[in-house]
Amino acid sequence: GQQLNQSPQSMFIQEGEDVSMNCTSSSIFNTWLWYKQDPGEGPVLLIALYKAGELTSNGRLTAQFGITRKDSFLNISASIPSDVGIYFCAGQDSGAGSYQLTFGKGTKLSVIP
Amino acid sequence: DVKVTQSSRYLVKRTGEKVFLECVQDMDHENMFWYRQDPGLGLRLIYFSYDVKMKEKGDIPEGYSVSREKKERFSLILESASTNQTSMYLCASRLAGGNGEQYFGPGTRLTVT
Repeated sequence: GQQLNQSPQSMFIQEGEDVSMNCTSSSIFNTWLWYKQDPGEGPVLLIALYKAGELTSNGRLTAQFGITRKDSFLNISASIPSDVGIYFCAGQDSGAGSYQLTFGKGTKLSVIP
Repeated sequence: DVKVTQSSRYLVKRTGEKVFLECVQDMDHENMFWYRQDPGLGLRLIYFSYDVKMKEKGDIPEGYSVSREKKERFSLILESASTNQTSMYLCASRLAGGNGEQYFGPGTRLTVT
């Protein structure tokens, strides 16, 4: 299946810094989703975006649905140690009856106290 | 809150054994999915089921089968486990006709020796 291009692959930041990561696709998506996965656990849904240009926040997290519908970004403000984990983007295309998500390969975030 | 549970968190099996991985969701979701997750390869879809007794192959169905006899339960079967099936297995569910959000279980770490 198709993969999204997610960047960066990994990042090391100091506690308190802001973080930005993004995903791009060659296909148009109707929905963009951002998940976080802690080591040894399943992904947890953080934010869902449903229309182009939409900007949505969840606490210190903010995500945007790109106006071309081919990209999305996630920002984390004032990072803390529990932000450590792998962040995945996922998109659902507009095909009729589509069930599947296309996933990025993840951004591994490490926070240095 | 959506709850997706998986029968085992860790499983060790021998080559050639038949392995059953069980997934249960409590939100009356029509769609259910099985993925495997490997370092560097991301999440790959094995099978999905859009309703009871209905199934479709994902990207990597070889060596696997599935069963969906009840709406809340989706089973992944490894007919004859092999060492290359050592992986993290993730189950997810989704409301049909929804906005694409999939909710994941905690995962089963399977080791085949």
